[in-house]
Amino acid sequence: QVQLHQWGAGLLKPSETLSLTCAVYGGSFSGFYWSWIRQPPGKGLEWIGEINHSGSTNYNSSLKSRLTMSVDPSKNQFSLNLSSVTAADTALYSCARSYTSNYHYYMDVWGKGTTVTVSS
Amino acid sequence: EIVLTQSPGTLSLSPGERATLSCRASQSVNSRYLAWYQQKPGQSPRLLIYGASSRATGIPDRFSGSGSGTDFTLTISRLEPEDFAVYYCQHYSGGVTFGQGTKVEIK
Repeated sequence: QVQLHQWGAGLLKPSETLSLTCAVYGGSFSGFYWSWIRQPPGKGLEWIGEINHSGSTNYNSSLKSRLTMSVDPSKNQFSLNLSSVTAADTALYSCARSYTSNYHYYMDVWGKGTTVTVSS
Repeated sequence: EIVLTQSPGTLSLSPGERATLSCRASQSVNSRYLAWYQQKPGQSPRLLIYGASSRATGIPDRFSGSGSGTDFTLTISRLEPEDFAVYYCQHYSGGVTFGQGTKVEIK
């Protein structure tokens, strides 16, 4: 059974860089895209972006200028860096497995989420 | 950019009743890339439906999805106590967009 375990700093000051990593256990790493999604307190889901095992990325256009995703296939891990954070970036950040094909797209395995708070 | 609008914002129903949730796209979308998720408080979203109408593994058959073009529907035929949650639709077209969610609450 595929599991995602994520970690990273939970409290940041404005202008700092948010860094999170997600490790994949128990399944194929190369056959999927790997996404990051965030959810501000009491609000809905926002897709941040995705990366595959070879480093190909798709980013949310509204975050693209501050966003970098990377992958380490040797460790089955992928990471998120979001620079110049503000209070508006305060949210629960989750990693997820994205099944992508010519026929379907969906996120079927999710991490438990990391709460990130931006405060001075 | 495609915008997904879900309605209603909140649905107040009793266990055993039928729930009908709507997801409308700002332009015609490929239904192959339309999915529905359920999220309970303190939990990560759970995939319910993909390809607009295919149930994900382990999802009870009281959940069904339908629709095409700009209008999609998630139907829960008879609400069970564990079905009271927030539901999101999602579409992919090079990037991912989510609807704002519909909360199904106990009446």
